[in-house]
Amino acid sequence: GNSVTQMEGPVTLSEEAFLTINCTYTATGYPSLFWYVQYPGEGLQLLLKATKADDKGSNKGFEATYRKETTSFHLEKGSVQVSDSAVYFCALTHFSGNTPLVFGKGTRLSVIA
Amino acid sequence: GAGVSQSPRYKVAKRGQDVALRCDPISGHVSLFWYQQALGQGPEFLTYFQNEAQLDKSGLPSDRFFAERPEGSVSTLKIQRTQQEDSAVYLCASIEASTDTQYFGPGTRLTVL
Repeated sequence: GNSVTQMEGPVTLSEEAFLTINCTYTATGYPSLFWYVQYPGEGLQLLLKATKADDKGSNKGFEATYRKETTSFHLEKGSVQVSDSAVYFCALTHFSGNTPLVFGKGTRLSVIA
Repeated sequence: GAGVSQSPRYKVAKRGQDVALRCDPISGHVSLFWYQQALGQGPEFLTYFQNEAQLDKSGLPSDRFFAERPEGSVSTLKIQRTQQEDSAVYLCASIEASTDTQYFGPGTRLTVL
């Protein structure tokens, strides 16, 4: 079946540090890939997505590239801010009849000033 | 209006009690998902509606779980005879058809004592 594996946290970084959160997936066919973010006390928000191989999703300084050859979708940001502290979830779905998202376990990021 | 809303935000139940969790999707969104998020885990699929039709309930963990969406808008997830293992955050998401993006509510945190 479909599954998502992401690096375990927590990850603690100083402000302006470079961020990478690894995500790999197992799926049949060509899934769409997502990063969702959950800020403290809030619901899941879509951060970025990519729907086909080699696509790069980007938003708020975050980027992730859909790598079919390595089945990966690693999240990166060049310079993190304290406001980026949150839990980040990698997810996939097959858009055929509104299929559910399959999530990784989440990675908690703490950015300290 | 705004985003997906859920109520109550927090629910404490004694073991054996019945609970009902409400989801108000974004107006006009046809499709709706329910997910269960255990502590420290990613959300896991419970059930899916398209309008009032429940098209997939394969994720419901037992026959104590029941969901409905009688008028194709508000949805209710009901859990009968709650058990401690039902303690989790229950998330609702509705889908923007043009982008296939799932928008999540803030969730209901259920604690069963």
